Amino acid sequence: DGGITQSPKYLFRKEGQNVTLSCEQNLNHDAMYWYRQDPGQGLRLIYYSQIVNDFQKGDIAEGYSVSREKKESFPLTVTSAQKNPTAFYLCASSMTSGGMNEQFFGPGTRLTVL
Amino acid sequence: QKEVEQNSGPLSVPEGAIASLNCTYSDRGSQSFFWYRQYSGKSPELIMFIYSNGDKEDGRFTAQLNKASQYVSLLIRDSQPSDSATYLCAVTADRGSTLGRLYFGRGTQLTVWP
Repeated sequence: DGGITQSPKYLFRKEGQNVTLSCEQNLNHDAMYWYRQDPGQGLRLIYYSQIVNDFQKGDIAEGYSVSREKKESFPLTVTSAQKNPTAFYLCASSMTSGGMNEQFFGPGTRLTVL
Repeated sequence: QKEVEQNSGPLSVPEGAIASLNCTYSDRGSQSFFWYRQYSGKSPELIMFIYSNGDKEDGRFTAQLNKASQYVSLLIRDSQPSDSATYLCAVTADRGSTLGRLYFGRGTQLTVWP
């Protein structure tokens, strides 16, 4: 089955901890994205990557880091510098970074700070 | 900052009625427009995309685009209780951009009552 997987589904973080969210796709998509969604809010872009070993900051990159060592994988690290990390995190991918290509989403990871 | 505005709702319609969801956007250069459906606690699912002025129909869904008015809408005919969800409007960046990023509205919550 082709698709986007995210793990874990639920994640609990203690104050001061770094945590890493996994995102894997087997759709052969070039571009990958990380979004954050808070209750009653739209999606806000954290980071995106158009090609392996390259990525750009989105609108709310502070306190987050990413890597893109493989086409299939785009992990997101939520660092201790992110002061309000409790949110629903969504990974997406698209065929190319061109403006006409549709983005498809993984199932999401719900992060809670204890 | 690109603005994408949607009525937050909630929009409530009876089963069998037409639900009309509206979205306006600020960037006159936007080229591609998407509608996502998001059930509570789940990730967004792409249901329609439109690139040209006019109407695009897919089953019970019709997307309408008016670039001159910077307006895109989604009509759902013969609404069903299973259509109850939040509908997100998304818009791409300027013509010629290779970024492929989407700008999302906050979503309109639709309830279809039997």
